[in-house]
Amino acid sequence: SYELTQPPSVSVSPGQTARITCSGDALPKKYAYWYQQKSGQAPVLVIYEDSKRPSGIPERFSGSSSGTMATLTISGAQVEDEADYYCYSTDSSGAVVFGGGTKLTVL
Amino acid sequence: QVQLQESGPGLVKPSQTLSLTCTVSGGSISSGSYYWSWIRQPAGKGLEWIGRIYTSGSTNYNPSLKSRVTISVDTSKNQFSLKLSSVTAADTAVYYCASEYCSGGSCYPDYWGQGTLVTVSS
Repeated sequence: SYELTQPPSVSVSPGQTARITCSGDALPKKYAYWYQQKSGQAPVLVIYEDSKRPSGIPERFSGSSSGTMATLTISGAQVEDEADYYCYSTDSSGAVVFGGGTKLTVL
Repeated sequence: QVQLQESGPGLVKPSQTLSLTCTVSGGSISSGSYYWSWIRQPAGKGLEWIGRIYTSGSTNYNPSLKSRVTISVDTSKNQFSLKLSSVTAADTAVYYCASEYCSGGSCYPDYWGQGTLVTVSS
């Protein structure tokens, strides 16, 4: 079955740039999406179609994709960005999958 | 902005069927660009996509759950529902309903309900 691979954790100091990666064989042909989930809350879409930002999402959130890897970048990470982040995509058959999630620590 | 709210029993016995309903407000479930999906998350673990339904009744399911899952839609009530049969403790999770926006051949969850905890225990 198709898998999206994320690092379990990323840690940065406030104001630094955080990069979270998502690796998958179908990413060269399929979009990646990114969700932020704070403790006890439902996930929130922060990036769609590799690099587009929904309205209301701060400009410090950006996305990119190259080859089999998609990257979520948080430029100037803030304490309130501390959360779990999940990538989402599909494979060539349409199977839907979430990455395993990355815990971002900002301290 | 569409809002979604899950409802249903919080406790289900092993081997029985889990049943949840999602009520959609602020928009029509018959909107052409949207699918309606269920996603779950065991405590301390990641997200698992269960399946989706279109207003026409067309469905897609996670292959790992397909034999036990049924998703249905009631357009008159602006609701869609999940049934998961033969549950075990491994099905204990927070269950989310979500709207999936479809564009350019891809669909993705954009709005989510708050989630409801379902525990499988005797």
